[in-house]
Formats: sequence, structure tokens, C-alpha cells
Amino acid sequence: ETGVTQSPTHLIKTRGQQVTLRCSSQSGHNTVSWYQQALGQGPQFIFQYYREEENGRGNFPPRFSGLQFPNYSSELNVNALELDDSALYLCASSLALGGSNEKLFFGSGTQLSVL
Amino acid sequence: SQKIEQNSEALNIQEGKTATLTCNYTNYSPAYLQWYRQDPGRGPVFLLLIRENEKEKRKERLKVTFDTTLKQSLFHITASQPADSATYLCALDIQTGANNLFFGTGTRLTVIP
Repeated sequence: ETGVTQSPTHLIKTRGQQVTLRCSSQSGHNTVSWYQQALGQGPQFIFQYYREEENGRGNFPPRFSGLQFPNYSSELNVNALELDDSALYLCASSLALGGSNEKLFFGSGTQLSVL
Repeated sequence: SQKIEQNSEALNIQEGKTATLTCNYTNYSPAYLQWYRQDPGRGPVFLLLIRENEKEKRKERLKVTFDTTLKQSLFHITASQPADSATYLCALDIQTGANNLFFGTGTRLTVIP
């Protein structure tokens, strides 16, 4: 077990709705990254938060947004859900020193289905 | 754009043999490369990290090589066991300021008893 917990584990939404996914980082980790993993694909980087500030973003539209809280837990929000948003959403925490982090500790993910 | 190719979607080997997985990348010069294991319905689990100035790294039955000239990493599991069956992902650091990882699509390894 990595110590990274995500909730909920499964979620079903309909197109156009909004969703919030939550992540609790491993103790002592100050950086959270979010990834989207479609079936049969590798994880795709969405964005990263370091000390409550966004620290980089992948090729995802603005309807994907996030937050990091003072206790380093994090949320991923997706507005105006589309069918293609159906995927496993992974949260990963790490200890970044000077903004540079290395290995990631992943949670088990939230399986989102958009109908 | 960056591209990572892992040698095949699926690899089947006999128990006790050495499994060799390949990761090739283009259009980038990563400072380090990582390998992760992912079981169905779970998040990836970190296995090994190798830096650009290291040729080889070992951890128990695992060995990783990194050839920056060929832009290739090889991941070996010696004396494979059915419990090694999983999807193995290679990942590169992008160093765009976020230090995020760029993952390949993975190779699904099945070790046959």
C-alpha cells in the first residue's frame, strides 16, 4: 500500500454533469499529480500541484481543474462531462525538493463512467 | 512530440525464464527513466529509476538498462514467477517545469506455470 487514498472508487455520471474526485496524499508528500488512464493506455498527465500552486499542465481542456489544500490533499474537478472522459483517474503523490520530484506513489484510482 | 513505444502489448513466457521488456522513445532526452508495475484495477507501483548517467540498475530479480544513444531501456525479470504477471509501464520525465512523467502504453506480461 502506498498511503495514497482516492475517493470514490467508482462513479457513474451522465454527459454534461460535473464531477469532483478526491485524493489524500501520502504523509510528508508535498506534490500531487493527476493522471487519466483510458482502457488499454498508459496514464496521461493532467496537471500537478506543488505547495497549493499548479505546477504544470498536460494537454487537457480548462474544464479539467484542480485544487491542493494546505494538508496537501487534492481535488480534481471536471465540468461538462463528455463520453470520452470515461477512464481511470489516478492521483499520485511525491516529495518534491526544489520543485523536482522523482518516483510517484499512486492511489488505486477512481473509475469514472460517463453515460 | 514525445513518443514512447513498448515492445509489444502482451508477452507470454514460461515460469523460470527471463522476461525482457523494451521501451523506446523519440524526440526527447530524459534525465531519468522509470519502470512501474500495474495490476488490474490498481494504480501503478514504482519499481526502479535509472538516471541518464547510469547504464544499469538492479533490484533483486529486476534489472534495468538505459542506452541514451539508442534511446532505449530494457527491463529484465529473471527467474520469472506467475506472481510477476502484470502490466509493466515505462515512464520518462518531461522536465517541462512540472517534472511530470510521460508514460508508455505498457506491456502485459503473463508468466505461465
